Amino acid sequence: GDSVTQMEGPVTLSEEAFLTINCTYTATGYPSLFWYVQYPGEGLQLLLKATKADDKGSNKGFEATYRKETTSFHLEKGSVQVSDSAVYFCALTYSSASKIIFGSGTRLSIRP
Amino acid sequence: GAGVSQSPSNKVTEKGKDVELRCDPISGHTALYWYRQSLGQGLEFLIYFQGNSAPDKSGLPSDRFSAERTGGSVSTLTIQRTQQEDSAVYLCASSSTGNSNQPQHFGDGTRLSIL
Repeated sequence: GDSVTQMEGPVTLSEEAFLTINCTYTATGYPSLFWYVQYPGEGLQLLLKATKADDKGSNKGFEATYRKETTSFHLEKGSVQVSDSAVYFCALTYSSASKIIFGSGTRLSIRP
Repeated sequence: GAGVSQSPSNKVTEKGKDVELRCDPISGHTALYWYRQSLGQGLEFLIYFQGNSAPDKSGLPSDRFSAERTGGSVSTLTIQRTQQEDSAVYLCASSSTGNSNQPQHFGDGTRLSIL
């Protein structure tokens, strides 16, 4: 079946460090890929998405590129801030039924 | 309101009781989803409604769980004879269509605690 595997956390970085959170997927077709973020005390919200191979999603300085050849969608940011502290979920939707299949989440903490 | 609204925000109940969780989707959104986020677990799909089609119930963990969506808008998730393992945050999401390219907008969730 379809699944998403992401880097286990927690991840702790200093402010202005480079961030990578790895995500790989297994799918029988051509899913859309997403990163969702859950800030402390808030609901889940979409961070960025890519709908086909080689697409790059970007938002708030974060980027992720849909790599079909490696079945990956790694999240990157060049210089993290304390306000980026949150739980990040990699996810895919596949087929018109569109339930989201989520990874287990990665907790990110940024030290000032 | 502008976003997906869920109520109650917190619910504490005794084992064996029934609970009802409510979701008001974004106005005009035809697709509605329920997910569960358990401590130490990822987000788990429960059920999906799209328009007047039969719901996709493939994620419901047992027959104690059911959901309905009245008038194509508000949805209620019901858990009967609650067990401690039902303790989790229950999230509702809606999207403008069931197309996978349309993002799902999430509510803040209902935190359910079973004593």
